[in-house]
Amino acid sequence: GENVEQHPSTLSVQEGDSAVIKCTYSDSASNYFPWYKQELGKRPQLIIDIRSNVGEKKDQRIAVTLNKTAKHFSLHITETQPEDSAVYFCAARTDRGSTLGRLYFGRGTQLTVWP
Amino acid sequence: KAGVTQTPRYLIKTRGQQVTLSCSPISGHRSVSWYQQTPGQGLQFLFEYFSETQRNKGNFPGRFSGRQFSNSRSEMNVSTLELGDSALYLCASSSMTSGRTDTQYFGPGTRLTVL
Repeated sequence: GENVEQHPSTLSVQEGDSAVIKCTYSDSASNYFPWYKQELGKRPQLIIDIRSNVGEKKDQRIAVTLNKTAKHFSLHITETQPEDSAVYFCAARTDRGSTLGRLYFGRGTQLTVWP
Repeated sequence: KAGVTQTPRYLIKTRGQQVTLSCSPISGHRSVSWYQQTPGQGLQFLFEYFSETQRNKGNFPGRFSGRQFSNSRSEMNVSTLELGDSALYLCASSSMTSGRTDTQYFGPGTRLTVL
């Protein structure tokens, strides 16, 4: 099955700096890559997602890039703020076959933004 | 629209007991997935239901089971509880478009503690 690796496991940045989290996946059939943010004691919330027919997607301070050939995708957060502090999870999914709809998650990155 | 809801939010059980958790998806969503979240194993897929049928199952023992009702509400059951079953159980709902799973939205989770 699919294997998603996420790095780094922890990331500390100063407010205003950029943060980058990287993920790799193993199954070339994966075609949907969401990123979730989970604050302490709360549910994972989707912050951005990308499909395999797109190389980059942006939403204000957040962007995701996808390299299908290398099987990796990254989350970029610019002008970080203390409220960006949370655990971020990447995930991969294929929309066909026996694993239809199943999300494979990375292990998470604890992002801390210092004021 | 109301978000995904889960009941109960917290549960304390002892080893050997069984437990039933409930998930109500977003109105109109027919796909419900269940995940177990622990500090050691991260987010792991349990199973996914669509239109009352289990489409996918993760690598969990047969003590973990689930079902979905005609109104798309889903329940999962864990029998003969073990200490290692202590975790946050999350469900996620999504709609389907042209046979493809759309964005998956998570509920707040049920925190299960097994003593």
